[in-house]
Amino acid sequence: GQQVMQIPQYQHVQEGEDFTTYCNSSTTLSNIQWYKQRPGGHPVFLIQLVKSGEVKKQKRLTFQFGEAKKNSSLHITATQTTDVGTYFCAGVEGGSEKLVFGKGTKLTVNP
Amino acid sequence: DAGITQSPRHKVTETGTPVTLRCHQTENHRYMYWYRQDPGHGLRLIHYSYGVKDTDKGEVSDGYSVSRSKTEDFLLTLESATSSQTSVYFCAIRAGQVYGYTFGSGTRLTVV
Repeated sequence: GQQVMQIPQYQHVQEGEDFTTYCNSSTTLSNIQWYKQRPGGHPVFLIQLVKSGEVKKQKRLTFQFGEAKKNSSLHITATQTTDVGTYFCAGVEGGSEKLVFGKGTKLTVNP
Repeated sequence: DAGITQSPRHKVTETGTPVTLRCHQTENHRYMYWYRQDPGHGLRLIHYSYGVKDTDKGEVSDGYSVSRSKTEDFLLTLESATSSQTSVYFCAIRAGQVYGYTFGSGTRLTVV
């Protein structure tokens, strides 16, 4: 079945440093979504990417979808303590209703 | 998030007992999902629904059943709870394919 791998599993940064998490799928995706989960909270939708090679920005967050629609990345510029949490990518295969999540990258930010 | 609630928020139950978790939405969305979240495994899909009485299995459906008799309610039942079903359970809703998922606040279930 479809698998979504995400690396790294953990990332510790100093406040102000950049952060990147990578996501790879075993199959071609129709779209990929990114979520953020704060400690003790629930996943919150950040963005959806649909087009091959698509790049979207939300303030300090930059999301990319690979040309082959099998990989994606999330880059945070100049991290802040409010960025702490676990970032999940989640992919949907074409024709499927099932969103398959990666295991997430847990980000901690030292002030 | 507004529009989706899960109950109960916490539950402790004994091995072998049946347990039902409820997900209620006020958004009239067609799609509803049940996920479980465990350390080291991320979020895994248990069952989902694409309409009243229309449900399908996810990747970890063994030991679980679901029902959706009304648009607003999606019930997850553990027929005979086991310790391996100790987890945090999240319900999610989706308006359509171009939209992201909205998750409920979760139910922390402990099976002793």
